Amino acid sequence: QKEVEQNSGPLSVPEGAIASLNCTYSDRGSQSFFWYRQYSGKSPELIMSIYSNGDKEDGRFTAQLNKASQYVSLLIRDSQPSDSATYLCAVNRRGHSGAGSYQLTFGKGTKLSVIP
Amino acid sequence: GAGVSQTPSNKVTEKGKYVELRCDPISGHTALYWYRQSLGQGPEFLIYFQGTGAADDSGLPNDRFFAVRPEGSVSTLKIQRTERGDSAVYLCASSSLLQETQYFGPGTRLLVL
Repeated sequence: QKEVEQNSGPLSVPEGAIASLNCTYSDRGSQSFFWYRQYSGKSPELIMSIYSNGDKEDGRFTAQLNKASQYVSLLIRDSQPSDSATYLCAVNRRGHSGAGSYQLTFGKGTKLSVIP
Repeated sequence: GAGVSQTPSNKVTEKGKYVELRCDPISGHTALYWYRQSLGQGPEFLIYFQGTGAADDSGLPNDRFFAVRPEGSVSTLKIQRTERGDSAVYLCASSSLLQETQYFGPGTRLLVL
């Protein structure tokens, strides 16, 4: 059973639309959740982090976390062609107290294409 | 400021050879991580250093892989007797003691022929 699952896509959305990216995880001990963006041939770049149930907004990006359902999502509003990339979901057992593993467990990523 | 740097950016070697991959973390970051990313996959954890010591090496696939960080800054990932299956992008990341965010370097693309 994969620990972090994402739909590999590709997910195609028209420019200006909302892109919705989803991720489920199997480890109920997971405390920290991250979305990374990875352009082709480049390294992952942090977009959002979320630790508590609910929504967290940063500009055009909103991360949503539901620990009971073991589900985390990323919404991108007003999608731009420059948002076209692979989005990686990552989880970590380490909480704010510092206890637990420091390693990130990544999903395979969802490839997003924003069509002009 | 300067981010995480990795050298070389690309490395082509022959099966059975020994390779060293270097990572220079963000200045002041005490935590350093190595990941490996194969085509179409997410990064896979290899090893984590806190200071000079390997705090978690549970991701190293076998004893051909070894990593050091002798002075608590630069780290070297060493692969002995390389195999074609070792071909991947090797990513290094660092974070500060008080912050969880891991910042990734540009990676080293290793190709074993």
